[in-house]
Amino acid sequence: AQSVTQPDIHITVSEGASLELRCNYSYGATPYLFWYVQSPGQGLQLLLKYFSGDTLVQGIKGFEAEFKRSQSSFNLRKPSVHWSDAAEYFCAVGARGSYIPTFGRGTSLIVHP
Amino acid sequence: DTEVTQTPKHLVMGMTNKKSLKCEQHMGHRAMYWYKQKAKKPPELMFVYSYEKLSINESVPSRFSPECPNSSLLNLHLHALQPEDSALYLCASSQDPGAGNTIYFGEGSWLTVV
Repeated sequence: AQSVTQPDIHITVSEGASLELRCNYSYGATPYLFWYVQSPGQGLQLLLKYFSGDTLVQGIKGFEAEFKRSQSSFNLRKPSVHWSDAAEYFCAVGARGSYIPTFGRGTSLIVHP
Repeated sequence: DTEVTQTPKHLVMGMTNKKSLKCEQHMGHRAMYWYKQKAKKPPELMFVYSYEKLSINESVPSRFSPECPNSSLLNLHLHALQPEDSALYLCASSQDPGAGNTIYFGEGSWLTVV
């Protein structure tokens, strides 16, 4: 079975600074990988996903993520954070034989002005 | 247009009440899901409907009863809930129950059991 780890519970950055949120997965083959964002009081919104092909994936709101097979990682990045990016971020991994992704525990992003 | 609509947005119910949460999608998706989410936790899968048939029940207590009247609608009937059932209930859908299909979430229904 697949599993996913988001090692950081909270990340604090200043507005305008760069951001990297970490996600590590455990799965025997190449998984499906997703990043979702959840603003306070809202549902989950898909930021980006990786299925195959180019390992650098572009998403919405200026986010990107890079799949690194050697490190079993799928870290989320943004070059310049805006105050509106403050939210909970969930990494999810899906196995090739299943359509139910496994979610990480989430990373809470705090943005200082 | 990736939209899953949930009603009501907020619900307060007593432990003896019967209520329902409703979910609707018009994207032609054939898989629909109910998730439960507690504060600061990831969503937990409750039920999956595939082509209007219940395909996954994650050992959810019988006080939660899902229903899929048609391919666009998904209900969650609630009866005799406990205070610990208070949570955000998220409906979601995907194109079909195929591996790797993206799951799209609604805004959720906030449930408080008193």
